[in-house]
Amino acid sequence: ETGVTQSPTHLIKTRGQQVTLRCSSQSGHNTVSWYQQALGQGPQFIFQYYREEENGRGNFPPRFSGLQFPNYSSELNVNALELDDSALYLCASGEPGTKNIQYFGAGTRLSVL
Amino acid sequence: AQSVTQLDSQVPVFEEAPVELRCNYSSSVSVYLFWYVQYPNQGLQLLLKYLSGSTLVKGINGFEAEFNKSQTSFHLRKPSVHISDTAEYFCAVIPNSGYALNFGKGTSLLVTP
Repeated sequence: ETGVTQSPTHLIKTRGQQVTLRCSSQSGHNTVSWYQQALGQGPQFIFQYYREEENGRGNFPPRFSGLQFPNYSSELNVNALELDDSALYLCASGEPGTKNIQYFGAGTRLSVL
Repeated sequence: AQSVTQLDSQVPVFEEAPVELRCNYSSSVSVYLFWYVQYPNQGLQLLLKYLSGSTLVKGINGFEAEFNKSQTSFHLRKPSVHISDTAEYFCAVIPNSGYALNFGKGTSLLVTP
């Protein structure tokens, strides 16, 4: 067990709605990254936060946004949900200076109907 | 940019037999390499990592991998598998100075009695 916790575990939304997913990083970790894993695929990088600032972003539209809080917990927000947003969303935490080793939570399964 | 190719989408193997899961990568910069395992309906667990030094790295659950720079490969091996090793295995790379893991599409290992 990594110590990275995500909530909720499952979520069902309808197209056009907005969703917020939450992540609590492992103690001592100050970076948090979010990944999207579509069914049967490898995870795709969405973005990373470090010291409450976005540190880097993958090829995802602006309706995917995030926050990192002073206690290193994090949120992923997705606006105007589309059917293709249905996926497992994974949060990973790590420490800069440790070769970017990232430890993952169990994920949130989002279904968009 | 980096890319990761996992050469086998599915690998069936009998219990107690050896197994090799193949991973090739391409990158214009130096990278760190990782193998993660994903059990059904769970997040990703770090199996092992290559950061530097010895090209043979050992991980959890009896797995090991060998980094071959000339062939740009990082194949995962286990000399004797158990039923409990049935899972999805992901190879991933990250640039030495980067922050985003780049994953392969995964290899499904199915161990049968």
